[in-house]
Amino acid sequence: AQKVTQAQTEISVVEKEDVTLDCVYETRDTTYYLFWYKQPPSGELVFLIRRNSFDEQNEISGRYSWNFQKSTSSFNFTITASQVVDSAVYFCALSEKLYTGFQKLVFGTGTRLLVSP
Amino acid sequence: DAGVIQSPRHEVTEMGQEVTLRCKPISGHDYLFWYRQTMMRGLELLIYFNNNVPIDDSGMPEDRFSAKMPNASFSTLKIQPSEPRDSAVYFCASSLAPGTSGGSPPDTQYFGPGTRLTVL
Repeated sequence: AQKVTQAQTEISVVEKEDVTLDCVYETRDTTYYLFWYKQPPSGELVFLIRRNSFDEQNEISGRYSWNFQKSTSSFNFTITASQVVDSAVYFCALSEKLYTGFQKLVFGTGTRLLVSP
Repeated sequence: DAGVIQSPRHEVTEMGQEVTLRCKPISGHDYLFWYRQTMMRGLELLIYFNNNVPIDDSGMPEDRFSAKMPNASFSTLKIQPSEPRDSAVYFCASSLAPGTSGGSPPDTQYFGPGTRLTVL
């Protein structure tokens, strides 16, 4: 079965530091999707990025960047020059293809990032 | 566009009472999902609907839980009778059908703000 491991339970950094959140996944599907979601203290889940398994190109969006490496089954997330507003729990998720053909999400346990001033 | 809307945002009830959580998906989305988030089990998919039809309810913990989607713009998750172990945050999410072109990428699920349920 699909599995997502976020080994870092909690990370604390000081503002302006760079921080990388790790995500390792297991799947038997040849086609799959990987996601990152952010859950700020207010509680909602905010979609950040979606990547399909055929696209290993790294992506950068402002201070956020993602490194997808199929060889190591990892999809790591880096925040450059972290800010207090980045404090949140970050979830990595993997699609799992169901018998219906639909792909449900399997979430990791999340990494809590605390950015202090 | 409005995102996924959930109500109430917070619910406190006593054991044995019926609880109904409500969700309005993003207009035009074909899929609707109910998740539960707890410290012990993380985010779990309870049930999902496609075009208002329940497709997979294998994640529903017990018969005390039921979900309906009477139309494309409304869904409910009901717990009857509620128990303290049902205390959690319940999220509703919606998405377009896979392969849908235009707009947001297919398969991406957009979540509502959640309902924090406390059963005393």
